[in-house]
Amino acid sequence: GENVEQHPSTLSVQEGDSAVIKCTYSDSASNYFPWYKQELGKRPQLIIDIRSNVGEKKDQRIAVTLNKTAKHFSLHITETQPEDSAVYFCAADTGRRALTFGSGTRLQVQP
Amino acid sequence: DVKVTQSSRYLVKRTGEKVFLECVQDMDHENMFWYRQDPGLGLRLIYFSYDVKMKEKGDIPEGYSVSREKKERFSLILESASTNQTSMYLCASSFMAGQHIEAFFGQGTRLTVV
Repeated sequence: GENVEQHPSTLSVQEGDSAVIKCTYSDSASNYFPWYKQELGKRPQLIIDIRSNVGEKKDQRIAVTLNKTAKHFSLHITETQPEDSAVYFCAADTGRRALTFGSGTRLQVQP
Repeated sequence: DVKVTQSSRYLVKRTGEKVFLECVQDMDHENMFWYRQDPGLGLRLIYFSYDVKMKEKGDIPEGYSVSREKKERFSLILESASTNQTSMYLCASSFMAGQHIEAFFGQGTRLTVV
């Protein structure tokens, strides 16, 4: 089955700096790659996603890039703010309708 | 606004008990999922269902079963709870819209088995 690895497990940045979280996947059949944000004590929520026919997608301060050849994708957050502090999960879907998640990255933005 | 509701926020059960975790969604989604969340391990898929009375094993189904008698309800069953099943359990639902399968999560049930 699919295996998704996520790095780093924790990330601390200064407010205003950029943050990058990286994921790799194992199944070349995977075609959909979402990112979820989970604030403390709350449920995970989708923040951005990308399909396998697209290399990059942006939404304001967040962007996701996908390299199908290398089987990795990344989340980029620019101009980080304290409210960006949360746990971020990457995920992949091979078409079986269920997502396989990475292990999560705890992002701390220091004011 | 999609709502996925789990019946309990916190549960404490004894080893060997049969435990039912209930999940209800109100958006007529075809797909429903049960994940468990553990520190450092992310969200791991236990079981999922893409239709009433249908179920598929996820990545860690051992020790669990599920039931989906109605489209809106998906139950996770621990036949004989064990301490290694102490975890946060998250239910989710989604519908297929082309290749977009955004999953909407419930608030989670923190289960402690003593």
